[in-house]
Amino acid sequence: DTAVSQTPKYLVTQMGNDKSIKCEQNLGHDTMYWYKQDSKKFLKIMFSYNNKELIINETVPNRFSPKSPDKAHLNLHINSLELGDSAVYFCASSPWDSTYEQYFGPGTRLTVT
Amino acid sequence: EDQVTQSPEALRLQEGESSSLNCSYTVSGLRGLFWYRQDPGKGPEFLFTLYSAGEEKEKERLKATLTKKESFLHITAPKPEDSATYLCAVQLRRSYGKLTFGQGTILTVHP
Repeated sequence: DTAVSQTPKYLVTQMGNDKSIKCEQNLGHDTMYWYKQDSKKFLKIMFSYNNKELIINETVPNRFSPKSPDKAHLNLHINSLELGDSAVYFCASSPWDSTYEQYFGPGTRLTVT
Repeated sequence: EDQVTQSPEALRLQEGESSSLNCSYTVSGLRGLFWYRQDPGKGPEFLFTLYSAGEEKEKERLKATLTKKESFLHITAPKPEDSATYLCAVQLRRSYGKLTFGQGTILTVHP
């Protein structure tokens, strides 16, 4: 199936650990995104890559580092996890010329204890 | 500061009871306004694009409209399967690719 997929779906870890979330899209899109959705359901953009180049970098702690090995993949690495990092993280992709029509993955629920 | 505010936060309807959701925005240089639907445990799903005041888009029981300050999502004769969170987002001319979302309206349609 064509889609945006993320792994893992659930991630439970302790404060101070380092973790990664992987994202892959097979829609042939040039642009990929990471969003954070907090407990109040507010969806906020973190990063965006176009063809492996970083184009959006919101005010996000340096502990968060995106990596795009190719235009179909965008991974998110988080160092020294904190309680406030607990949220659902969504990956999305879009064509470069239709960036409003974003296709979202199923989300990764991160719980930091 | 750019703001997108949705109301109400939650809306409960009986099946067949039509209503509207509101998205008001205070931004400069609007490129477009977009509606998404999010089901529990899933990512948002794109519904509509609106670019200019007066524009309307329809899809099944949903109709989205846009004015210079707000957008409405009208739901006509809703069914239980329309239950979801509806998210409004804006894109600014100066921030290509970036969507700024409202907090969403949780719609519950009872049979």
